[in-house]
Amino acid sequence: KAGVTQTPRYLIKTRGQQVTLSCSPISGHRSVSWYQQTPGQGLQFLFEYFSETQRNKGNFPGRFSGRQFSNSRSEMNVSTLELGDSALYLCASSLQVGRGTNEKLFFGSGTQLSVL
Amino acid sequence: AQRVTQPEKLLSVFKGAPVELKCNYSYSGSPELFWYVQYSRQRLQLLLRHISRESIKGFTADLNKGETSFHLKKPFAQEEDSAMYYCALSGRGGSEKLVFGKGMKLTVNP
Repeated sequence: KAGVTQTPRYLIKTRGQQVTLSCSPISGHRSVSWYQQTPGQGLQFLFEYFSETQRNKGNFPGRFSGRQFSNSRSEMNVSTLELGDSALYLCASSLQVGRGTNEKLFFGSGTQLSVL
Repeated sequence: AQRVTQPEKLLSVFKGAPVELKCNYSYSGSPELFWYVQYSRQRLQLLLRHISRESIKGFTADLNKGETSFHLKKPFAQEEDSAMYYCALSGRGGSEKLVFGKGMKLTVNP
């Protein structure tokens, strides 16, 4: 089974631009979560999607948004980029069966975003 | 609010020494606790979860609700244990988000 795939692997943008990151979960996984990883703050939860619905959202400004498609693939978008948005963005998928969504998350390699 | 604290950022030991990676949490309900690990140039992956009461790669972790802790322990560290370790918490409901600590870098020297 292929793992969680994130594209692109690296991105360089300038302040004010917007960016879209993509995540393809493991086949059969319906839940996709996004995390921002920085050296100072560690892993911070952005949002989680299940069956095309956002189920949870972290404490990030509205510039950060996401969506999930019917095939469970997910995208996240950051508008009006700021220098502080430079980070590794990780996507994780899980196979939700009733309770225990977080029993095992499978992470992608991430997209390294640099904002200049 | 959910909060996970890993009080130490770095830990360096020699091979064969015991290790304990500390994790404290704050959560009003009944939590689920996890340890995730990230080896160099590899993806973040689940190491173990308290609900399974398992030992993975010689590591164990016991949930202490009185002290709100979930420390990760290994009696004899190996060089291949060198990695970043993250403690994480979620509520027991299926819709609870997973909150991570800031991580701790373990270095096991030969």
